[in-house]
Amino acid sequence: DARVTQTPRDKVTEMGQEVTMRCQPILGHNTVFWYRQTMMQGLELLAYFRNRAPLDDSGMPKDRFSAEMPDATLATLKIQPSEPRDSAVYFCASARDSPYNEQFFGPGTRLTVL
Amino acid sequence: GEDVEQSLFLSVREGDSSVINCTYTDSSSTYLYWYKQEPGAGLQLLTYIFSNMDMKQDQRLTVLLNKKDKHLSLRIADTQTGDSAIYFCAETRMDSSYKLIFGSGTRLLVRP
Repeated sequence: DARVTQTPRDKVTEMGQEVTMRCQPILGHNTVFWYRQTMMQGLELLAYFRNRAPLDDSGMPKDRFSAEMPDATLATLKIQPSEPRDSAVYFCASARDSPYNEQFFGPGTRLTVL
Repeated sequence: GEDVEQSLFLSVREGDSSVINCTYTDSSSTYLYWYKQEPGAGLQLLTYIFSNMDMKQDQRLTVLLNKKDKHLSLRIADTQTGDSAIYFCAETRMDSSYKLIFGSGTRLLVRP
């Protein structure tokens, strides 16, 4: 069955390194979301795209984070340089146009920055 | 999730009913949702309710919506150990129909 896929599933890196997380939305879905989940802050919306255009990235620290959709089958979230406070689980979700706007979540990328 | 609030934790015995509560602040909410997150996984939509309804039933799940009090609840009948998870309440609003506003999640523990 159709699923959102994310790579890598786990990433351990050192402070200052660049991190790139990838997401493949469900085929035919035209809206893609990036979330970050931590124990302290809960689930935060970082950015989202509709038809590959960024609609809202107000939740994202602009100085180090960037999100792109090079094509309809790939969304990327990049952190450069990474910091220990970026350690979290990053989820991608996708949705298609529907009255009730169901979002389908990927399994997440667990990022640890040492 | 500052606009959507939930209690952090609920513990019930297997076979009992669980009731998870949520309050929201925006009266323009169009749809309200319950998502479930199992350990090590992403969120999965359990059920949703349109804002002009006050109740929805789906097998063991009953959603109640009180628009006047801006209160949403999820009742799970005959709770099983497999229901242990984090449950998130969420809303969409008229001004931003693509975006979900999530609560902080309620961790449900089902004791055998």
